[in-house]
Amino acid sequence: QVQLVQSGAGVKKPGASVKVSCKASRYNFIDYFIHWVRQAPGQGLEWMGWINPRSGVTKYAQDFQARVTMTRDTSVSTAYMELSRLTSDDTALYYCARPGNWKDGYDIWGQGTMVTVSS
Amino acid sequence: AIQLTQSPSSLSASVGDSVTITCRAGQGINSALAWYQQKPGKAPKLLIYDASSLESGVPSRFSGSGSGTDFSLTISSLQPEDFATYYCQQFNSYSHTFGQGTRLDIK
Repeated sequence: QVQLVQSGAGVKKPGASVKVSCKASRYNFIDYFIHWVRQAPGQGLEWMGWINPRSGVTKYAQDFQARVTMTRDTSVSTAYMELSRLTSDDTALYYCARPGNWKDGYDIWGQGTMVTVSS
Repeated sequence: AIQLTQSPSSLSASVGDSVTITCRAGQGINSALAWYQQKPGKAPKLLIYDASSLESGVPSRFSGSGSGTDFSLTISSLQPEDFATYYCQQFNSYSHTFGQGTRLDIK
């Protein structure tokens, strides 16, 4: 079935960067945007931005504009989200998600990647 | 960014009850709204897209309505598996913000 598989959990020190991958399978990767969403422990969902895998064009949420970079490698059907200058507030579960075909809603989600920021 | 305000933040109900969760947008978003259900330790699950369209495989006891700034998600005849947290999300602007969530507990 169509799926998004994310990289494994990690622990980072404050000030470091983290890069999370999201590999798409069983669909044409360049046909659907990939969005990134995060969820801090016990908190709600926070939209971070999207990348158009066909063109590489990105749009970031204002809160992350200065620290996030979303890229893709079409040869391996994988999207990446890199977040820099990490603080403890960035400890969260990071999800990639794909909008449905001609619908406003994400019908495919990755399993999530837990990033812990700790000294 | 367009703000979404959900209410209530939490509610308690019993199996068999009907409940309604509302989502208000800070400006008009036409029908560009989705609803998700999330259970602990799981990714969100799409329930409703385009404000009122039921996602394939989602039980018909879930329904969505609204347009412009005011939206609602109704769950009729609650089942034990419906106790979870629900989020709305808007797609009208380039920034696809979420509501803060509504936690639905068993009374």
